[in-house]
Amino acid sequence: GDSVTQMEGPVTLSEEAFLTINCTYTATGYPSLFWYVQYPGEGLQLLLKATKADDKGSNKGFEATYRKETTSFHLEKGSVQVSDSAVYFCALSVPYNNNDMRFGAGTRLTVKP
Amino acid sequence: NAGVTQTPKFRVLKTGQSMTLLCAQDMNHEYMYWYRQDPGMGLRLIHYSVGEGTTAKGEVPDGYNVSRLKKQNFLLGLESAAPSQTSVYFCASSQTETGVTETQYFGPGTRLLVL
Repeated sequence: GDSVTQMEGPVTLSEEAFLTINCTYTATGYPSLFWYVQYPGEGLQLLLKATKADDKGSNKGFEATYRKETTSFHLEKGSVQVSDSAVYFCALSVPYNNNDMRFGAGTRLTVKP
Repeated sequence: NAGVTQTPKFRVLKTGQSMTLLCAQDMNHEYMYWYRQDPGMGLRLIHYSVGEGTTAKGEVPDGYNVSRLKKQNFLLGLESAAPSQTSVYFCASSQTETGVTETQYFGPGTRLLVL
């Protein structure tokens, strides 16, 4: 079935370091891909998304490119801040499938000053 | 515009007790969802609804029931709580599916502890 695999955490970085969180997927059909972020004590918020191959989603300095050839959607940020500390979830959804989303296990990021 | 709200924020139950979690959204969304979040497992879909008066099973529906009597509300019920249902529960909503997957908007979560 459709699924998402993302790199295990936790990830600890120093402020201004480069961030990569890997995400690969398995899907029938043509999924849309998402990154959600969960700050402590809060629900998930959409960070960025891409709906077709080669699309790049971006927001708040984060980027991810939909790579169909490698079935990947890696999250990157050039210079992380302490405020980026959160749990990041990769997710996919296949259109015409009742918006059913499949989430990865989440990667906890801690950024130290 | 409050978005998606959930009641209560936290609850402790004894095994066998029942309770209802309430989700409300003010965005006029057609689709609503209930997920549970467990450590190391991401979010798993319990039940969902594609419109008022409709419900459907998700990935892990056993032990839960839902109702969507009003478009803005989606209730999740536990008839006889078990320790395995200790989790954080998230409600979400989205616009009608149009062939392109719509973003889901999440509530702040309900933390449930079953003793």
